[in-house]
Amino acid sequence: DAKTTQPNSMESNEEEPVHLPCNHSTISGTDYIHWYRQLPSQGPEYVIHGLTSNVNNRMASLAIAEDRKSSTLILHRATLRDAAVYYCIPLRAAGNKLTFGGGTRVLVKP
Amino acid sequence: NAGVTQTPKFRILKIGQSMTLQCTQDMNHNYMYWYRQDPGMGLKLIYYSVGAGITDKGEVPNGYNVSRSTTEDFPLRLELAAPSQTSVYFCASSYGWEKLFFGSGTQLSVL
Repeated sequence: DAKTTQPNSMESNEEEPVHLPCNHSTISGTDYIHWYRQLPSQGPEYVIHGLTSNVNNRMASLAIAEDRKSSTLILHRATLRDAAVYYCIPLRAAGNKLTFGGGTRVLVKP
Repeated sequence: NAGVTQTPKFRILKIGQSMTLQCTQDMNHNYMYWYRQDPGMGLKLIYYSVGAGITDKGEVPNGYNVSRSTTEDFPLRLELAAPSQTSVYFCASSYGWEKLFFGSGTQLSVL
């Protein structure tokens, strides 16, 4: 299964964009790139996912590199409620030993 | 839809006791997972299942057992509970590559 590398932590000011990088250089061609976040004292929740094209939803945008070896989650205007640990994980269509890395802890300053 | 339901939400066990953490989903998902999360740490995969009757070990399976007799249910069994199993346990499910749904967790203390 593909491994991921993310920075341990990032800080942002409220109302500013946050760009969270993820390296997944060993990803296979059939792995979807998923992002989840875990708010304090809660279970993880889905944020966004994609395969090759960039994706947008109401929570965030996902920019996937052309070679698919890296991706960036973009929170367009960070709020205090976006303070969480963000995980990127490759998710395979056919059977996954789905492990989470350490994720990136995002701190949003007012 | 209820999504992924875990019971109980909290439990205190004595060392050596056994218990089953229940997980059920009503979305007809084929994949189900059990994770544990120790305080301040990340999620560790205990066991997973790709369909009824099929289970496999994750990163930290020792001390646990699972079964998947139906698509909906994926119970996690703790035999001979130990203090090292004090953790928050999350169950999750998905349909193939589609998004993962998590339960609200079970907080377990072994004293």
